[in-house]
Amino acid sequence: GENVEQHPSTLSVQEGDSAVIKCTYSDSASNYFPWYKQELGKRPQLIIDIRSNVGEKKDQRIAVTLNKTAKHFSLHITETQPEDSAVYFCAASMVSGGGADGLTFGKGTHLIIQP
Amino acid sequence: DADVTQTPRNRITKTGKRIMLECSQTKGHDRMYWYRQDPGLGLQLIYYSFDVKDINKGEISDGYSVSRQAQAKFSLSLESAIPNQTALYFCATSGKISYNTEAFFGQGTRLTVV
Repeated sequence: GENVEQHPSTLSVQEGDSAVIKCTYSDSASNYFPWYKQELGKRPQLIIDIRSNVGEKKDQRIAVTLNKTAKHFSLHITETQPEDSAVYFCAASMVSGGGADGLTFGKGTHLIIQP
Repeated sequence: DADVTQTPRNRITKTGKRIMLECSQTKGHDRMYWYRQDPGLGLQLIYYSFDVKDINKGEISDGYSVSRQAQAKFSLSLESAIPNQTALYFCATSGKISYNTEAFFGQGTRLTVV
């Protein structure tokens, strides 16, 4: 089955700086890579996702890059703000039959934004 | 707003008891999932269902069973609860069309087995 590794487990950055979280996956059949943000005591929520036919995707201060050959993908957050403090999860899945199969998650990165 | 609702939100049960966690959704989605979250381990897939007649095991299905009673309802059962099943459980849903892959999570059920 799929295995997703995520690094680092904790990341502390100064407010206004950039943050990068990296993930690798093992199954070359995976073609859908979402990122979820989970604030303390809340449910995970999708912040951005990418399909394997795309190398990069941006949404305001957030971007995701994908290297299919190396089987790794990364989340980039620029101009970090206090509200970016949360746990971030990467995941991998296969889109088939018109929808996504179950997600395999990384173990999460606790992002701390220092004032 | 359309949502994914889990009941109960918190539950304490004794070792050996049978317990059922319920999930219902008003999003009109076909696909439903159960995940377990443990500190430092991320979320792990227990079971998933593509429609009422289609149930699939995930990474950690041992000790769990599920029932898809209707398109909108998906319940998770622990037949004989054990302490290492203490965790936060999330139900999630997603659409069936290829561009509607986002998974929407319920609020979670915190289960403690003593």
